[in-house]
Amino acid sequence: TQLLEQSPQFLSIQEGENLTVYCNSSSVFSSLQWYRQEPGEGPVLLVTVVTGGEVKKLKRLTFQFGDARKDSSLHITAAQPGDTGLYLCAGAGLYNNDMRFGAGTRLTVKP
Amino acid sequence: DAGVIQSPRHEVTEMGQEVTLRCKPISGHDYLFWYRQTMMRGLELLIYFNNNVPIDDSGMPEDRFSAKMPNASFSTLKIQPSEPRDSAVYFCASSTGTLLGNTIYFGEGSWLTVV
Repeated sequence: TQLLEQSPQFLSIQEGENLTVYCNSSSVFSSLQWYRQEPGEGPVLLVTVVTGGEVKKLKRLTFQFGDARKDSSLHITAAQPGDTGLYLCAGAGLYNNDMRFGAGTRLTVKP
Repeated sequence: DAGVIQSPRHEVTEMGQEVTLRCKPISGHDYLFWYRQTMMRGLELLIYFNNNVPIDDSGMPEDRFSAKMPNASFSTLKIQPSEPRDSAVYFCASSTGTLLGNTIYFGEGSWLTVV
């Protein structure tokens, strides 16, 4: 059972389309992170959100942390083939230093 | 600066054999994590250390798995005896702590196949 539920599990779109992926939990997190993982490599951090309601933008990527700090979304505008990868969300516990990951959304952007 | 270094990069072993995976964290990081990734279960936290001390090993699947961190620059994850269901990518990662949202840096992973 995943502490963090990510949806959709798989997403295949055409270049130029917009998309949103979600990360939901019943637990409150002290912070939430999004990572991207490419084949044969370890996950690499994209962003960290800490404050409930926080919105962060990274070029064409927009990240939002839910008001209650239980959920998050990642929106990509005008997706490009280079955005292809596994997107993982990870939540840090309120009182400890572990970091639990969701199963990820596997995104494919076709040229 | 060198990142998290893991070895071996790939290992194929027979069922019943002992497997030892190694990790060198980033210098100065006082947290070290071991994760296992499979298609079915995603990225699971197995155990993490703080200042070489195991803090939470509740993710370790069973007694066949053990992890040690004898010093700040080295950790091992051992599986004895190995089974085919242990086949996965094992990641080591290090951090300066996550409560403040600090980054976790991952190694490239050890790809284990047990036949």
